[in-house]
Amino acid sequence: DVKVTQSSRYLVKRTGEKVFLECVQDMDHENMFWYRQDPGLGLRLIYFSYDVKMKEKGDIPEGYSVSREKKERFSLILESASTNQTSMYLCASSPNDRTVFNEQFFGPGTRLTVL
Amino acid sequence: GNSVTQMEGPVTLSEEAFLTINCTYTATGYPSLFWYVQYPGEGLQLLLKATKADDKGSNKGFEATYRKETTSFHLEKGSVQVSDSAVYFCALSDNTDKLIFGTGTRLQVFP
Repeated sequence: DVKVTQSSRYLVKRTGEKVFLECVQDMDHENMFWYRQDPGLGLRLIYFSYDVKMKEKGDIPEGYSVSREKKERFSLILESASTNQTSMYLCASSPNDRTVFNEQFFGPGTRLTVL
Repeated sequence: GNSVTQMEGPVTLSEEAFLTINCTYTATGYPSLFWYVQYPGEGLQLLLKATKADDKGSNKGFEATYRKETTSFHLEKGSVQVSDSAVYFCALSDNTDKLIFGTGTRLQVFP
């Protein structure tokens, strides 16, 4: 079974704090993704990575950065958290294998509240 | 650009009712199409997919047919159960490694 785990299910931080969200996958997938999920907006892609040390901006990268030092781990960093970053954050991974037509496997999500 | 439009919810049904959740898309080329489901408190999981025109994806009693002529991929189930209550997302892949998601439709099924 593919497993994508996220470091926290719930997180409460204060405005201005630096926040790290960690994601680990155990299926040797090349691709990893960070999304945020907000009511009425669906899932929006923040950043993705095709390989170790590689990253690409998604649709809403402002206020976020990422790190991928190992293949299995993809971290999302909020350099200075703000209240408008209160959201559900979802990590996903997928193999670089077009025969599976880009199916992504998701973690359980981290609900972040910034006070 | 590519996009996915799905019906707003919530969709509220009684158990054993027929379900349709509409999804239409805009894309160049020949995208693959997906339905994902998110149960309360969980991440998304793939429900079904179709990779070319006229393909029908099916799983757990749910079905969706890839209709290129109407650019649609509507989700259907003949008889819903309370356990089907969840948020359903339509998505497309334009043959890159990224997915483009709709806004999600919440389904509530009552006994």
